Amino acid sequence: SQTIHQWPATLVQPVGSPLSLECTVEGTSNPNLYWYRQAAGRGLQLLFYSVGIGQISSEVPQNLSASRPQDRQFILSSKKLLLSDSGFYLCAWRSVRVDGYTFGSGTRLTVV
Amino acid sequence: GNSVTQMEGPVTLSEEAFLTINCTYTATGYPSLFWYVQYPGEGLQLLLKATKADDKGSNKGFEATYRKETTSFHLEKGSVQVSDSAVYFCALNEAAGNKLTFGGGTRVLVKP
Repeated sequence: SQTIHQWPATLVQPVGSPLSLECTVEGTSNPNLYWYRQAAGRGLQLLFYSVGIGQISSEVPQNLSASRPQDRQFILSSKKLLLSDSGFYLCAWRSVRVDGYTFGSGTRLTVV
Repeated sequence: GNSVTQMEGPVTLSEEAFLTINCTYTATGYPSLFWYVQYPGEGLQLLLKATKADDKGSNKGFEATYRKETTSFHLEKGSVQVSDSAVYFCALNEAAGNKLTFGGGTRVLVKP
């Protein structure tokens, strides 16, 4: 069966520090992968998506970047965090054969 | 571009009350429509979906009908429970697209 792993679950980081959030998918190949952010009291905003290794599409200009070094690995990064980067980050994958998305359990990032 | 609009919350109900959350969308083509649920502290789970006009998605007592003429996908449940307290997101995915577009989410609080 397909599963998606996302870690860490919670993270508190100082302003200006780097960030690396990792997401991995098991049980599927060549998935479309996504990073979403949910700011406090707001909806979900698509940050990045990837349709293959090394292919990254950015939806909004921001302080973050994404990389896909392996087929089932998607990484969200920042060189220097801002207070506004705080939020709940969700990784998701979509199988090209199934019209549905599966989400990870999320990472709650607090920048202090 | 695609967009999803859903009623703002919070919606506060008593147990066994009837729940409706309105959702309307704008899209080119014929999108698939989804409702996702986010329980406190967790990621998103797919609640139900519909892939074409007049389809009815249903799960856990929730229902939503894909209405192409009104571009709507309202979520309903006849008798809510305390355990239904969560944030509900309406979303669409265009048939040829790679991205899931979300509404802003509606927080539902069910009181005993």
